[in-house]
Amino acid sequence: QKEVEQNSGPLSVPEGAIASLNCTYSDRGSQSFFWYRQYSGKSPELIMSIYSNGDKEDGRFTAQLNKASQYVSLLIRDSQPSDSATYLCAVRFGDYKLSFGAGTTVTVRA
Amino acid sequence: DAEITQSPRHKITETGRQVTLACHQTWNHNNMFWYRQDLGHGLRLIHYSYGVQDTNKGEVSDGYSVSRSNTEDLPLTLESAASSQTSVYFCASSEGTLSYEQYFGPGTRLTVT
Repeated sequence: QKEVEQNSGPLSVPEGAIASLNCTYSDRGSQSFFWYRQYSGKSPELIMSIYSNGDKEDGRFTAQLNKASQYVSLLIRDSQPSDSATYLCAVRFGDYKLSFGAGTTVTVRA
Repeated sequence: DAEITQSPRHKITETGRQVTLACHQTWNHNNMFWYRQDLGHGLRLIHYSYGVQDTNKGEVSDGYSVSRSNTEDLPLTLESAASSQTSVYFCASSEGTLSYEQYFGPGTRLTVT
């Protein structure tokens, strides 16, 4: 069973702070990693993909990957109320299927 | 713009009835997936397809079937709806050769009474 674990929430941060989301996965051979954002009542929306060790930045979002530790994280800088959502970590375990974590709910306090 | 659509968006049906949920994508993606999302379980894969005439079972396929007769569509059929199949259903697709990223449709909320 390919497992993806995310830090339990909910996570509450003040506006302007950094939100840090963590994800670990069970298969050392995994090569592709994704972060999705899901607003309440909406479908998951892809916000970041990362394939190589290190950091990848896109606007206020930074994804960090450490394959040796089987760990991927997402940082949201300068958090805004519009960032309040559930964030899903997804890992590709061979071919094209993804396994998803249960999600971490983030609330940004104004 | 290319997109992925699902219909209906909401459906109420009775136990024992056959129900078909539609998924249509205009990206010409090879890969299509059906998930269900329930509180406490996250997204779980029901069935998936990597091309026309190809279908595969996911982790929660019992009671569901799919068929892929063209690139654009992957309908999901509940053979005999059960209350345990009350859920939100998402269809997703991915290009499959150059990209593994999956893009989701808006979802169908199904209630089985």
